[in-house]
Parts: sequence; structure tokens; C-alpha cells
Amino acid sequence: GIQVEQSPPDLILQEGANSTLRCNFSDSVNNLQWFHQNPWGQLINLFYIPSGTKQNGRLSATTVATERYSLLYISSSQTTDSGVYFCAVETSGETSGSRLTFGEGTQLTVNP
Amino acid sequence: SAVISQKPSRDICQRGTSLTIQCQVDSQVTMMFWYRQQPGQSLTLIATANQGSEATYESGFVIDKFPISRPNLTFSTLTVSNMSPEDSSIYLCSVYRVLPPGKLFFGSGTQLSVL
Repeated sequence: GIQVEQSPPDLILQEGANSTLRCNFSDSVNNLQWFHQNPWGQLINLFYIPSGTKQNGRLSATTVATERYSLLYISSSQTTDSGVYFCAVETSGETSGSRLTFGEGTQLTVNP
Repeated sequence: SAVISQKPSRDICQRGTSLTIQCQVDSQVTMMFWYRQQPGQSLTLIATANQGSEATYESGFVIDKFPISRPNLTFSTLTVSNMSPEDSSIYLCSVYRVLPPGKLFFGSGTQLSVL
């Protein structure tokens, strides 16, 4: 099956700093999504981004499908950005329907 | 975004017992998905629940252990049967919405601890 690798696995920032999270995938995908899991476990869909660049406030994401990677940018980080960031890619199999495969996540801690 | 209500939010259960988790969505959806997140790990798809047909299970998950019901287009249940401490995880239901297309939304999850 497809491999999804996220880096770095852990990241500690001071409030106000910027950061870039990376997601590499091993095969062609139908789409890619970024999620944030807050410290209470709730998963929030940040971006649906099969290709190109999208921005939402202090967050932006870029996917280069031909090179099989996506980047999530966090600018002016805040303590509320803490949590785990997952990327997930959708693939379709010949014998199965579409399926999302999640990376292992990046644990982000933003200190005041 | 979708409103997905999941309950219970957490439970502590004894070994050998079963727990049924409910997932209610505020609009009709074709497919509902059940995921497991073991402590400190990523999400793994357990099964896809389609209304009117049997659930489709992923490799490593079987119906006897994780029976699923999907009686209508807004509701599904996942049962964790004959539990052991290894079943201690967060269980999440999720759905795609028509708009925006392709985005997956999650319920708030059920934190299960098995003693």
C-alpha cells in the first residue's frame, strides 16, 4: 500500500514563530487532506488540497502532486496551534473503493 | 462542516465485555467510516459502513470483533466485542459531506479504556 511519511515527528516552537510541516507520499493520490488533532482529541479538517496552494488565515498548504509531497505552513504560531497535525491521502484500488491513509503525524508544541 | 455526534465520549470497561458506540450525523450520507487511534499513534480505518449492506472491513479487522450496524443514512453503531486491554483506543466515526466535496469530517471520538 501507499506510504505516507510526515516530518518532523516532533516540533517545539515559541509563540510567534513560523513553521513548515512536510508530508511525502509514495504513489499517485486522488487527494490530500491536512488535519489538526487538538489536545482533547478532536480532529479538525484544515485543508482539502489535491494540488496547488490554499490559505486559511495563518495557515496555508501547498501540494505538488507530481513530486508527491505537501507542505503545511503555520505562521505566527499561537499556543492554540498545539496538537498533532496529520496528513491523509486518498487512493483508489482495483478491488476496493477509495481509502484514506494517514501519516504518523507531527506533534507540535507552541510555548508561550 | 458536518455535525457528527458520537457517544459515549469515554468509557472504562472490564475485560470480556462489549461496548457499542453510536454515531449520529445531521444529514444523510452514503458512507460512514470507523477509525481506531491507539495511544500515541495515527488513525487506522476499521471499516466502511454503507446503508443497506454489510460493512466493508479493512485487513486485520473482523466482523465478529467489530460488528457494525447502519440502519439508515444518518446513523451507525460500532460494537467492540469481548474487549481486552489491547482494545484501549480512541474510536472515531467520520463522513464525507456533499459540500465541500471530498473533505472528511470526524466526530469527537470515544475514548475507551479496558481494564
